Amino acid sequence: EIVLTQSPDFQSVTPKEKVTITCRASQSIGTSLHWYQQKPDQSPKLLIKSASQSISGVPSRFSGSGFGRDFSLTINSLEAEDVAAYYCHQSSSVPMTFGQGTKVEIK
Amino acid sequence: QVHLVDSGGGLVKPGGSLRLSCAASGFTFSDHYMTWVRQAPGKGLEWISYISSTGSTIYYADSVKGRFTISRDNAKNSLYLQINSLRAEDTAVYYCARGGYNWYDELDYWGQGTLVTVSS
Repeated sequence: EIVLTQSPDFQSVTPKEKVTITCRASQSIGTSLHWYQQKPDQSPKLLIKSASQSISGVPSRFSGSGFGRDFSLTINSLEAEDVAAYYCHQSSSVPMTFGQGTKVEIK
Repeated sequence: QVHLVDSGGGLVKPGGSLRLSCAASGFTFSDHYMTWVRQAPGKGLEWISYISSTGSTIYYADSVKGRFTISRDNAKNSLYLQINSLRAEDTAVYYCARGGYNWYDELDYWGQGTLVTVSS
């Protein structure tokens, strides 16, 4: 099973600050890595697919990068509506797995 | 627009069973892989199972293998999860999610979730 480890677990950020969340895979997964946002009491929502591909309707301040084992999600200029938990997800092999999540709050 | 509606959750005693359903609309259901993901209270996301577009390929997480059964009815645009021999650690919100045309695609739409509580 591929283990995904996110860092940090929790981040408190001031509005308009840049946020970077990392996700490290226990083995190489190419670009089979996706990012989701889950706001309180809501279902997860796809933010970025295949490591760096943008999703229609997602604000351009969200971007992803990485290949192999190391990936990152960046939120440029955090807004209040971005308060949420963020999860990475690998679809390189079964069982598919998720990172443990990163909670982002406004300072 | 794509819409997934999860249902069937509830309070069940340890050892009991439930059948969860996911009603799909707004897309060609029979073209897509479908997946179940769960989330225990206050915890992260756990992938449980996926099923191919025709139902011919199925995978389960080790934590549910032998107790959970995924299935689909393409004529009814519906996905199912039969959950047996329930344990306290199965308490979670269960989400169905749409995959792509291939098993390795992202999960691009999610249901609202249905809560399963296992308690005596």
